[in-house]
Amino acid sequence: DQQVKQNSPSLSVQEGRISILNCDYTNSMFDYFLWYKKYPAEGPTFLISISSIKDKNEDGRFTVFLNKSAKHLSLHIVPSQPGDSAVYFCAASGNFNKFYFGSGTKLNVKP
Amino acid sequence: GAVVSQHPSRVICKSGTSVKIECRSLDFQATTMFWYRQFPKQSLMLMATSNEGSKATYEQGVEKDKFLINHASLTLSTLTVTSAHPEDSSFYICSALTGGNNQPQHFGDGTRLSIL
Repeated sequence: DQQVKQNSPSLSVQEGRISILNCDYTNSMFDYFLWYKKYPAEGPTFLISISSIKDKNEDGRFTVFLNKSAKHLSLHIVPSQPGDSAVYFCAASGNFNKFYFGSGTKLNVKP
Repeated sequence: GAVVSQHPSRVICKSGTSVKIECRSLDFQATTMFWYRQFPKQSLMLMATSNEGSKATYEQGVEKDKFLINHASLTLSTLTVTSAHPEDSSFYICSALTGGNNQPQHFGDGTRLSIL
C-alpha cells in the first residue's frame, strides 16, 4: 500500500508561470516531508523540506505548503524556468528516518 | 556539502556474475545509508537500511542473500548483487543521512545495472 502518492505523473507549465506539484500521504505519523528533484540517470537532489510543526517553508523560488488535516503537501515554483524541468519526488518520514517516496511528477517548463 | 558518491555509474555484465556497487559519503560521516531500486517510471523502492558496524535491515520481499550489504565504515557502504540475472537489471541508488532527526537523505547518482 503506497503511503505517499503523487497523482499527476506529468505537468507542463509555461516559463515564468507558477508550477504547483501535489502530494498526498496516508500515515498521520509522518512528521517530516521533503521534495527532491531528479534528472535522468542521476540520483535525486534534495530541494526543500518541511517539519510537521510548520505549514509553510520558503527557499527562493521554491515554497512547500503542508496541510496536515488534509494530509497534503504541495511544492510551488515561481517563476518557473526551463532548467526546472525534471522529475519531482515528494517524500515523507516518521520514526527511524525511513523515507517513503511518491511515484514522481515529471515537470516540463516550456520556454 | 553532503556529497554522496556512487560507483560505478553503469555496469553491463553476463548472467551469473556478481556485481559490487560502492556508496561513499565524501564530506561527512554517515551512520545510516540506504539502498533503493528504481524501476522505469516508478518510485524509489527501499531495499535495505544499512547501519555502520551492524547487519543491514532488509525490506519485505528483498532477498538478503541475493543483495549483500556491507557498511564497514562511516563513509562506505557496498551492495553486492550476487549471481545476477536479467531480472536484476535496474537502477540502484544509495543515500546517506548526515545524522540527527529531520534531516534529508542525500543521494548518490545511481548505478544502471544491465544483466545480459
